[in-house]
Amino acid sequence: DAGVIQSPRHEVTEMGQEVTLRCKPISGHDYLFWYRQTMMRGLELLIYFNNNVPIDDSGMPEDRFSAKMPNASFSTLKIQPSEPRDSAVYFCASSFEGFNSPLHFGNGTRLTVT
Amino acid sequence: ILNVEQSPQSLHVQEGDSTNFTCSFPSSNFYALHWYRWETAKSPEALFVMTLNGDEKKKGRISATLNTKEGYSYLYIKGSQPEDSATYLCASMGGANNLFFGTGTRLTVIP
Repeated sequence: DAGVIQSPRHEVTEMGQEVTLRCKPISGHDYLFWYRQTMMRGLELLIYFNNNVPIDDSGMPEDRFSAKMPNASFSTLKIQPSEPRDSAVYFCASSFEGFNSPLHFGNGTRLTVT
Repeated sequence: ILNVEQSPQSLHVQEGDSTNFTCSFPSSNFYALHWYRWETAKSPEALFVMTLNGDEKKKGRISATLNTKEGYSYLYIKGSQPEDSATYLCASMGGANNLFFGTGTRLTVIP
């Protein structure tokens, strides 16, 4: 298996623009997670899905952030409009049994908003 | 938010030395404890998931123990090698719906 695949690896955009991050989880994993890594807060959970259904989005910072999982093999995290404080590394991860099993992380998307 | 603390923040050891570091977490409502290894420019890689008090797990030269009653886990590396240099993250599942990460211990093994 190729592991969790994220795209793009790097994204540089101007404030106010829409940003879409993409993730393909490991086949057979029923859980998909979006995490954000910052120097100040470390790794923090934004949202997670079980069988394509959002279970907990309490970590999503504000209405500018949205996430979808239209099918078992694809998820997007969208920021509209983007702001400089959104600059961070965004990780997607998947697992077989939620938080009771290891999370498999993608390589992350480094987002820079100028 | 669950307060997961790791110590030390960073550590330098000589090649061949054995080392260990600590993860502390609230012992109430404990569900699971994860350890991850995170190399620079890569993604976190799972080492262990432990759920039971007294659990001990081993993977090559790396092992971990868990004490859920007092709320701590130790990660041990025997005979450190330069390729062990990485940040080691622990995360505690203190409730059913989240996994809270510590800020990690950055290990540097000096050849």
